[in-house]
Order: sequence, then C-alpha cells, then structure tokens
Amino acid sequence: DAGVIQSPRHEVTEMGQEVTLRCKPISGHDYLFWYRQTMMRGLELLIYFNNNVPIDDSGMPEDRFSAKMPNASFSTLKIQPSEPRDSAVYFCASSAGTGVPHEQYFGPGTRLTVT
Amino acid sequence: GIQVEQSPPDLILQEGANSTLRCNFSDSVNNLQWFHQNPWGQLINLFYIPSGTKQNGRLSATTVATERYSLLYISSSQTTDSGVYFCAVGPGGGYQKVTFGTGTKLQVIP
Repeated sequence: DAGVIQSPRHEVTEMGQEVTLRCKPISGHDYLFWYRQTMMRGLELLIYFNNNVPIDDSGMPEDRFSAKMPNASFSTLKIQPSEPRDSAVYFCASSAGTGVPHEQYFGPGTRLTVT
Repeated sequence: GIQVEQSPPDLILQEGANSTLRCNFSDSVNNLQWFHQNPWGQLINLFYIPSGTKQNGRLSATTVATERYSLLYISSSQTTDSGVYFCAVGPGGGYQKVTFGTGTKLQVIP
C-alpha cells in the first residue's frame, strides 16, 4: 500500500495567489481529513469527508478556504487568495470504517509558505 | 469540545533510559491514538488504544478510559525515538473527529 499521497510537498507562493493542495487517500478508506499544523495552534482539523461528502467543516478558518472530494481517490484543499498567515504544514489523513472509529493514517504533508 | 492535555511538554533522556508520557482528556472517548512526529515532520501511528493495554517492541500504551487518561511507555530509549509524541482523542460513536494534544517533545541524547 502506497499510503496517503500528498502533492506538492513544498509550495512557495506570493500573497494573493491561489494555492491548491492535493491528496490521494489509502484505497478503500472512506474517511478523509485535512489538518493544518502551526507552531502557535498545533494540529487543527479543518474539514473531514465521509464517502466523499463533507461532514464537518467547522475548522475551516474562513471563506478563503475550500475543500472538495470529487471521488473516493482524490481531494483538494484550495486557498484563494492566500495570505502570509496561511503559512503552515497541511496534512491529509484517511481512515476506514463507516460508523466505527478507526485509526487515521497521515500523508507526508505539504509545507506552504506564503510571502 | 474535548480538552486534551499532555505532559510533560518537554523531556530530555539519556539513551537507554525509560520514560512515561501522559495524556489526560476531559470527556469520555471511544477513539484514542498515539502518534510520533519524527524530526522530518512525518506523523507515524504508534497505537490505536481507546481502552486497555498494547505493546509493540519497546513501546507500550495503556488507556484507562474511566479515569480519562492514557500513558505511553518508552523503554530503553534510542536517539531515533526523538521527536514529538501526540495523543489524539475523539468521542467516536460514528463521529470521526479527533482533537490533538499539544504534544510531548522528546530528545534522546547519546
């Protein structure tokens, strides 16, 4: 199993630009999570999906952030327009088990720097 | 939401020493995981342990759900154990959201 795949691994962009982060979950997993990690706030859940449907987006910081999951093997997190305070490591994770808690497996993360 | 507190925040060990990391949580949980974030930033699953005791090599974990805490034991520590250890907890019951603690930063020195 290839594990959770994220791209790009590093992204440097200028303030105001659109940023798109990508994630491929583990095959067969029906939950997908987007997290953000910063020194100040630690690991925060932004949004999670079950069977491609967003379940809880209460962690999405503001309207500049949006996430989609068009199919079971692909999800995107988009920031438009980006701001320097969005600089962070963004992780995607997936887990299996409808209705039953199961352990989450994390991708390698995307380190985003907004200048 | 559930509050998660980890202790100690920082820990320095001599190689070969043992340690215990603690995770306290404020409400009943049905989902608890321990992770190790290595110096390269990768989050590695250690244990899925909402209750009971598990062991994997030099690592073991115990969760006492009724008393709302979990412990991670590291024996005969090695320099490769360095990094940050997180616990993540959630209510379960079909709701998959978990809350991460602030972590314990461990440094093992030769």
